[in-house]
Amino acid sequence: DAGVTQSPTHLIKTRGQHVTLRCSPISGHKSVSWYQQVLGQGPQFIFQYYEKEERGRGNFPDRFSARQFPNYSSELNVNALLLGDSALYLCASRLEGAGHMAQYFGPGTRLLVL
Amino acid sequence: GQNIDQPTEMTATEGAIVQINCTYQTSGFNGLFWYQQHAGEAPTFLSYNVLDGLEEKGRFSSFLSRSKGYSYLLLKELQMKDSASYLCATMDSNYQLIWGAGTKLIIKP
Repeated sequence: DAGVTQSPTHLIKTRGQHVTLRCSPISGHKSVSWYQQVLGQGPQFIFQYYEKEERGRGNFPDRFSARQFPNYSSELNVNALLLGDSALYLCASRLEGAGHMAQYFGPGTRLLVL
Repeated sequence: GQNIDQPTEMTATEGAIVQINCTYQTSGFNGLFWYQQHAGEAPTFLSYNVLDGLEEKGRFSSFLSRSKGYSYLLLKELQMKDSASYLCATMDSNYQLIWGAGTKLIIKP
């Protein structure tokens, strides 16, 4: 079975531009979470979606937005990019229900803002 | 507040045993996770503890004490491929993961 997939794998943007990152969860997983990971640090929670509804949002500015589609894939959008947005953006999916607590990560999108 | 502490870096010898500790303070608790992350790659799931005690899975074991806000990951028979960062994370009452900064484990021959 395919794992979590993300696209693109790498991206270079300039300050002020916007970016859209995409994620497809493991088949059957309805919960998708987005994380930002800066080099040398643990992931920081950005958003969680379940059944197309936002379940949670981390401490990120309104420049960050996301949505989940009927097929449970998800997009993360970042507007007015700043140099500090350079990071690895990770998507994780989870199978909801008791006994299914683990989140499984995609390979990530490495974003560089110049 | 929410806080997770783990050592920044540890060094161990191939074939030996190493214990990576994690202490946490979180609002709401739905379990503690350990993930392995090789440089430039995504985290991969290792273990999940929600009840006190030791969970063993092959060469890796994870322990949890909820009353002490403490967990450890025990790696036995270390191999060179175990060189990676090990991330401790707790799941809060909203099923969101709060992460530590990770422990970089260096394995020497």
